Amino acid sequence: EVQLVESGGGLVKPGGSLRLSCAASGFTFSNAWMSWVRQAPGKGLEWIGRIKIKTDGGTTDYAAPVKGRFTISRDDSKNTLYLEMNSLKTEDTAVYYCTTAAYDSSATLYWGQGTLVTVSS
Amino acid sequence: NFMLTQPHSVSESPGKTVTISCTRNSGIIASNYVQWYQQRPGSAPTTVIYEDNQRPSGVPDRFSGSIDRSSNSASLSISGLKTEDEADYYCQSYDRTNQVFGGGTQVTVL
Repeated sequence: EVQLVESGGGLVKPGGSLRLSCAASGFTFSNAWMSWVRQAPGKGLEWIGRIKIKTDGGTTDYAAPVKGRFTISRDDSKNTLYLEMNSLKTEDTAVYYCTTAAYDSSATLYWGQGTLVTVSS
Repeated sequence: NFMLTQPHSVSESPGKTVTISCTRNSGIIASNYVQWYQQRPGSAPTTVIYEDNQRPSGVPDRFSGSIDRSSNSASLSISGLKTEDEADYYCQSYDRTNQVFGGGTQVTVL
């Protein structure tokens, strides 16, 4: 059974930093493109970015609102995905989801339960 | 970047069929797969359709997806509507460097 478990959310001040983690199990993590998606309170889903697998270059792509502030990385030895968030703004307040198709695709089949990030003074 | 446009809301009676559209404003809808996600209040999204018309295991065959090249749109149909189908539904597609979600459609079962 595929499981994605996010952690690391919490309250942070504007301008601060936070690192989210996503522990994956139930599939071959090193063969899967991984993405982060967020949802602000009462709003729709917003793609943040994606990381490909190493054999595809391990490259990352980001949505415009977070480019240059957020960094996605992966540790295939730990089956874990990361989202490093810097220069946080109040508009980054959202539930952050880890997602994957469990193979090398931009589609999503599986979602984590999400972790809430609140940016407030 | 392209955009995906969905109706804000649809409603129908139990047992009927509801269809949600998702129109791509630039680029060809058939050039990249479309996915559909269901989100019930207070819960994480789940996938009901992937790769245009594939159902993940456990999703009932009342859910079906299709692509219409003539209107450059995708559609999600839910037949035999049940009260448990009341939720927000989002379409999603991508290009080489971006993923895009539609704004979501609230489905109400009257």
